[in-house]
Amino acid sequence: DGGITQSPKYLFRKEGQNVTLSCEQNLNHDAMYWYRQDPGQGLRLIYYSQIVNDFQKGDIAEGYSVSREKKESFPLTVTSAQKNPTAFYLCASSSTGIGNSPLHFGNGTRLTVT
Amino acid sequence: GQQVMQIPQYQHVQEGEDFTTYCNSSTTLSNIQWYKQRPGGHPVFLIQLVKSGEVKKQKRLTFQFGEAKKNSSLHITATQTTDVGTYFCAGSEYSGSARQLTFGSGTQLTVLP
Repeated sequence: DGGITQSPKYLFRKEGQNVTLSCEQNLNHDAMYWYRQDPGQGLRLIYYSQIVNDFQKGDIAEGYSVSREKKESFPLTVTSAQKNPTAFYLCASSSTGIGNSPLHFGNGTRLTVT
Repeated sequence: GQQVMQIPQYQHVQEGEDFTTYCNSSTTLSNIQWYKQRPGGHPVFLIQLVKSGEVKKQKRLTFQFGEAKKNSSLHITATQTTDVGTYFCAGSEYSGSARQLTFGSGTQLTVLP
C-alpha cells in the first residue's frame, strides 16, 4: 500500500539536543510538508518542498531545518534553537503544489523535550 | 496574512443530532479543503471545494462553499459515534506568486451515545 511513514511514533529528548524526525513516502508525490500541531490548535506549516533539492520556509520555520535529497524522503531536524519543541509533528505529501491537491498525512511523531 | 477562523472550537451532541462547523476567511479563497482527525490519529482528507456556491455531499456530510468564496461549512446529519473527531478546514489562496494553505483551528466533535 502506498503511504507516508513517519518514525518514531514517540520521541523523548533532553533540552539542548538536536533531533531528527524521519518521513518517507512511496506515493511518488512531488511535494512534501512538515506541520506542527499543538493541543487545541490547527496545523502550522514548518517547511515544505515542491521538488528535490529545494524547500521553502513555512510560517514557523525558526529552530527547524530540513533536507530533500531524494523525492521519497523529507527529514526534519528540530534544533536546540527551537524554544518550545514539544509537539505533535505531522509529515504530509501531495501530488501537486501546496493548496492544489489533497494532503496525505503520516501517522505523526510525538516529540517530548524535557 | 491569511487567517482562517473556525467555530465552534468544541461541540458535544447526542447521537442522532445534527452538527455544523463553520470556517471564515479574511480573504477570498481559491479553494477550501476539509479534513477529519480521529482522536490519536492523523488528519484525513475529506473533500475539496473550488467553485463559488458549491455544495457537495458525502452520505450524511454536506459541504458548502460560500458565494464570495470566503466561508464554508460542514454539516453532519444524524451524528453517529463514528463521527467523533476534530474537523479542520484549510483555505488556499495566492500570496504574491506562491500559494498558501492555512488551516483553521478545528472543531472537536464529541458524540454522546
